Amino acid sequence: NAGVTQTPKFQVLKTGQSMTLQCAQDMNHEYMSWYRQDPGMGLRLIHYSVGAGITDQGEVPNGYNVSRSTTEDFPLRLLSAAPSQTSVYFCASSPAETVHGYTFGSGTRLTVV
Amino acid sequence: GENVEQHPSTLSVQEGDSAVIKCTYSDSASNYFPWYKQELGKRPQLIIDIRSNVGEKKDQRIAVTLNKTAKHFSLHITETQPEDSAVYFCAASLNQAGTALIFGKGTTLSVSS
Repeated sequence: NAGVTQTPKFQVLKTGQSMTLQCAQDMNHEYMSWYRQDPGMGLRLIHYSVGAGITDQGEVPNGYNVSRSTTEDFPLRLLSAAPSQTSVYFCASSPAETVHGYTFGSGTRLTVV
Repeated sequence: GENVEQHPSTLSVQEGDSAVIKCTYSDSASNYFPWYKQELGKRPQLIIDIRSNVGEKKDQRIAVTLNKTAKHFSLHITETQPEDSAVYFCAASLNQAGTALIFGKGTTLSVSS
């Protein structure tokens, strides 16, 4: 099992550009979520999903879109990047029937200039 | 929605001392409380968790206690070692189903030898 795989690991964007951060898991987990991590702010929930076709907003959803067409994949889209979106992004997943510690991907470090 | 407060933000101890980190949560529907350790440049890793039907859980040198009435839970690390130095995050489930986690802002623990 690869666990939770995030790509790319690093990305530099110009203000106004769009991009998609990829997240895939091979553990057949129903629950998936996206977090951003900024110094001193902990991990803040952006969007989450409880299964294919179902997504919901978290604490800081503005500027981000998600979709969940399959159980395995949960991409995060930045439609028009802003410097305030410079952050480290983590994807995480958990099984639904016995929720225990979410498994995190290795993260994507995004810089918007 | 759920809000998680974590204290202290930094904690320095001598090797062999105990360390305690405390968290409070706001939503009485939360029923799952994990703790994560994050080393510099790495992904968060689950170290221990507790559910609302349990008051205390131990795993070697670490333990977690939960007071549902007061809505607070704590991480206890005994006989600290330099390799315990890291950032520690508490979290609470977003709802009873645990569809996502809400995190505290983190505690930077430094263990000096």
